[in-house]
Amino acid sequence: GQSLEQPSEVTAVEGAIVQINCTYQTSGFYGLSWYQQHDGGAPTFLSYNALDGLEETGRFSSFLSRSDSYGYLLLQELQMKDSASYFCASRSAGNMLTFGGGTRLMVKP
Amino acid sequence: DAMVIQNPRYQVTQFGKPVTLSCSQTLNHNVMYWYQQKSSQAPKLLFHYYDKDFNNEADTPDNFQSRRPNTSFCFLDIRSPGLGDAAMYLCATSREGGGEQFFGPGTRLTVL
Repeated sequence: GQSLEQPSEVTAVEGAIVQINCTYQTSGFYGLSWYQQHDGGAPTFLSYNALDGLEETGRFSSFLSRSDSYGYLLLQELQMKDSASYFCASRSAGNMLTFGGGTRLMVKP
Repeated sequence: DAMVIQNPRYQVTQFGKPVTLSCSQTLNHNVMYWYQQKSSQAPKLLFHYYDKDFNNEADTPDNFQSRRPNTSFCFLDIRSPGLGDAAMYLCATSREGGGEQFFGPGTRLTVL
């Protein structure tokens, strides 16, 4: 089976840095993806880590440690528009995704 | 712009009345997915297609069926909707070789 754990909610202030952790127990693990979803909107792709290490894309970075079955999404210079739900998702054969429960990020002024 | 389109965006049906949700894509991706997402929960995969090769998740209820008449279109049929089927239904596509999944805006289904 597949399971991913992430915090249900995180609150931070504008301009701050926040880290959203994800631990996983999956079989046939190919890599870890992160998706952002605003209320009422569709999930949109943020990043994908197939190998250990840090991937940086603008204000967002994602990290993976396969040996620890752990990853995180790092958001820097937080903006109000970053308030959304963030899902980690394990990728398995056939490009299948299993999503974690999601972390609701609230950015306050 | 290449995209994934879902119609309708909002669908209201009555308990037990069949409903069909549609998805189309201009990305020319050969893999298409249907997810169910309930409030404050993660998207849950219902089905996926590799071209016309249909794959049903083990725990997808028999009440749910899908059709993919061609590369661009995919349909989700709910034969006898129950109150528990009220949810957002998301369609997504990807290339066969992997990479990100592109999601449509979703159809929010209400069952009265």
